[in-house]
Amino acid sequence: KNEVEQSPQNLTAQEGEFITINCSYSVGISALHWLQQHPGGGIVSLFMLSSGKKKHGRLIATINIQEKHSSLHITASHPRDSAVYICAVFFTPDTGNQFYFGTGTSLTVIP
Amino acid sequence: KAGVTQTPRYLIKTRGQQVTLSCSPISGHRSVSWYQQTPGQGLQFLFEYFSETQRNKGNFPGRFSGRQFSNSRSEMNVSTLELGDSALYLCASSLADDYEQYFGPGTRLTVT
Repeated sequence: KNEVEQSPQNLTAQEGEFITINCSYSVGISALHWLQQHPGGGIVSLFMLSSGKKKHGRLIATINIQEKHSSLHITASHPRDSAVYICAVFFTPDTGNQFYFGTGTSLTVIP
Repeated sequence: KAGVTQTPRYLIKTRGQQVTLSCSPISGHRSVSWYQQTPGQGLQFLFEYFSETQRNKGNFPGRFSGRQFSNSRSEMNVSTLELGDSALYLCASSLADDYEQYFGPGTRLTVT
């Protein structure tokens, strides 16, 4: 059973294209995180969302709590955006706070 | 402010040995979480410490343990290493539960 589903698993885009990565989850959450991981392993937290929409530069993240769905958009994609994008949900079951991760979307942006 | 640091960055151990990994959080951060990342299972939550207390634990065997010191530095220990423990171990710090997490560079553990 996978609490977090991401799509697509792999994505190749031409530089300048608009990109959307989707995340669906099955549990009631406290917050959802979008993470970026570059080759070599370093992870950067891009957004933490509990409702609505956030924007940072060319990145936009939205969340619909009722539908248990979030999207990460990249406008005017650039080769430096090539990375793995991971959706993570944070929730509090009876057993205490838990983090569940999607399997990631590998994005390659071609010049 | 210095970021999250992890030591060592790379480690090779033999099956049956034990290993201790260290994580120094960003100054002022009291929460430290540990994660395991493998090609097969992806990222998985190990445990979280806050003010020297383990608050949450993921679904890992008792061979995985950790602690946090009064200066918020944290260590995780894996005893009786198995080949399947080969992974990238990441720690992340945050001010509290509902704050952004900052990840360290990870420790890549290889068990032979």
